[in-house]
Amino acid sequence: DGGITQSPKYLFRKEGQNVTLSCEQNLNHDAMYWYRQDPGQGLRLIYYSQIVNDFQKGDIAEGYSVSREKKESFPLTVTSAQKNPTAFYLCASSLPSGQAQISGANVLTFGAGSRLTVL
Amino acid sequence: AQSVSQHNHHVILSEAASLELGCNYSYGGTVNLFWYVQYPGQHLQLLLKYFSGDPLVKGIKGFEAEFIKSKFSFNLRKPSVQWSDTAEYFCAVNAAGANNLFFGTGTRLTVIP
Repeated sequence: DGGITQSPKYLFRKEGQNVTLSCEQNLNHDAMYWYRQDPGQGLRLIYYSQIVNDFQKGDIAEGYSVSREKKESFPLTVTSAQKNPTAFYLCASSLPSGQAQISGANVLTFGAGSRLTVL
Repeated sequence: AQSVSQHNHHVILSEAASLELGCNYSYGGTVNLFWYVQYPGQHLQLLLKYFSGDPLVKGIKGFEAEFIKSKFSFNLRKPSVQWSDTAEYFCAVNAAGANNLFFGTGTRLTVIP
């Protein structure tokens, strides 16, 4: 079955450490996204990527970094510069907007999420 | 900048009651509108979407939503809720052709058997 795999499901980090969250998809989607979900704040976009080797900052990119070396993979690194990293992180993918408009389906498929706790 | 408002943070209903969850957005151009649902312990998944055409759209599990352009609203409705509808519901919007999807803060629905 096609889908998005996020790992690890739970992660604990000491202050000052960088951590990397994995996101892999086998949906053949070009676009991938990272969102952060906090109680009462909904989902906020961290970074997104339309194609390999290209990515754009979202609304809350400070303290995060990403790479997109392969179409299937879009890892997120939470750096020590992120002041409040404890959160639930969601990865998603979709057709790119150009194709989405033709097909009428700019629909995001989400992974199960990774919960990061800073100790 | 676009934004999405969901005014109901937590809604509690008895089974068979009717549901309406509010969603308003701020953007003057052409938009695509979505409702996503997150059942306990499950992935976020699409409930329904509006791109163009009939402003009344039907989704899975008997849900529907109506796009009222003059009110910048896309309220979610279900005539008779079930216990299994207990979940968190998110409204989302993006400008047509854009990549960024803006989400509301979510509404938690609890259905009492």
